[in-house]
Amino acid sequence: GQNIDQPTEMTATEGAIVQINCTYQTSGFNGLFWYQQHAGEAPTFLSYNVLDGLEEKGRFSSFLSRSKGYSYLLLKELQMKDSASYLCAAPSGAGNMLTFGGGTRLMVKP
Amino acid sequence: GAGVSQTPSNKVTEKGKYVELRCDPISGHTALYWYRQSLGQGPEFLIYFQGTGAADDSGLPNDRFFAVRPEGSVSTLKIQRTERGDSAVYLCASSPPNRGRGETQYFGPGTRLLVL
Repeated sequence: GQNIDQPTEMTATEGAIVQINCTYQTSGFNGLFWYQQHAGEAPTFLSYNVLDGLEEKGRFSSFLSRSKGYSYLLLKELQMKDSASYLCAAPSGAGNMLTFGGGTRLMVKP
Repeated sequence: GAGVSQTPSNKVTEKGKYVELRCDPISGHTALYWYRQSLGQGPEFLIYFQGTGAADDSGLPNDRFFAVRPEGSVSTLKIQRTERGDSAVYLCASSPPNRGRGETQYFGPGTRLLVL
């Protein structure tokens, strides 16, 4: 089975850096996804990690440690528009169906 | 290009009624997924299609739920005898052919179903 854990809520200040953690337990590993979801909207793809290490993409970076079953999403130079839920998800099965964590609701304050 | 589209965007129905939710995936995407998302939670997998066939329907909660994809493109999720607990956002996602790694799934805006 799959189990994905992430904090429920986080608050950060505009311009700051925030790290959103995700721990996972999977019966077979095929990478880890991060999605962003604004209230009332569809999840949108942010990153996919399959190898250990940090992958940087503009203000967003994602890290993976397969031995620790751990990932984080790092958001730099926070903007108000970054207020959203951030979903950690692991694919499984022949069809790569996604198992999601509960999502971390990030509130960016001025 | 066009993304995944879903209709209707909102659906209000009465307990016991039948509803159909439609998903139009990105052109060329052979894989199609349905998920259900309750307020404040992450999406939960319902069913996966590869082409026309339902390759995995292990996430469907019971036999009131059924989905089809007759021509390998548009899919319809059907819910019979709706219950108040079926109220949720139903998300559809599509992805390119699976090459053995985690292909990115692209989500539609969802259908918000409310059962009164």
